[in-house]
Amino acid sequence: NAGVTQTPKFRVLKTGQSMTLLCAQDMNHEYMYWYRQDPGMGLRLIHYSVGEGTTAKGEVPDGYNVSRLKKQNFLLGLESAAPSQTSVYFCASQESNQPQHFGDGTRLSIL
Amino acid sequence: QQPVQSPQAVILREGEDAVINCSSSKALYSVHWYRQKHGEAPVFLMILLKGGEQKGHEKISASFNEKKQQSSLYLTASQLSYSGTYFCGTSDLTDSWGKLQFGAGTQVVVTP
Repeated sequence: NAGVTQTPKFRVLKTGQSMTLLCAQDMNHEYMYWYRQDPGMGLRLIHYSVGEGTTAKGEVPDGYNVSRLKKQNFLLGLESAAPSQTSVYFCASQESNQPQHFGDGTRLSIL
Repeated sequence: QQPVQSPQAVILREGEDAVINCSSSKALYSVHWYRQKHGEAPVFLMILLKGGEQKGHEKISASFNEKKQQSSLYLTASQLSYSGTYFCGTSDLTDSWGKLQFGAGTQVVVTP
């Protein structure tokens, strides 16, 4: 019973490189989210999805893209990484008005 | 708009009580409370829905004042395990299905 699994757990990138973060959930949840967490700022929503094949922008979407081709997976892409994107990224999944279940996070540093 | 949490931080001795507040300028549908320990993922504590109900989890309880658009989290007879950062997440009437906006967090330190 894995819940929400994020890969990778850590990554260091150089400015301008691209990468994809993977989130997988095994609870058959409809809703999935990508957040970033910076010191003193709580969780800020980047993008979210209300079902397979759908995505929508959150509070801080610039510089990120997402895809949800399969219900269980939600991918977050950085096309051209910038130092301002250094952060801890959390994925979460949820059923309507139920708790959000979070993955363990991905710690991303961009040099 | 992000909900406002207060205080930003609180230091307690074991056995003491504390209250954390979460306020919004929007009409709320639900308030979620999570606790996060350093280097870990947020963990769900409880949900309060529109209707002003009060809920409890061990010696942690919460209330939701619909008229004031405010929720309060009560830590009673605190234990060392209560240390961490507490976040409220709120959904308004247009996102009643569950999309949340999170507050900046309240850091709680419980000392022996």
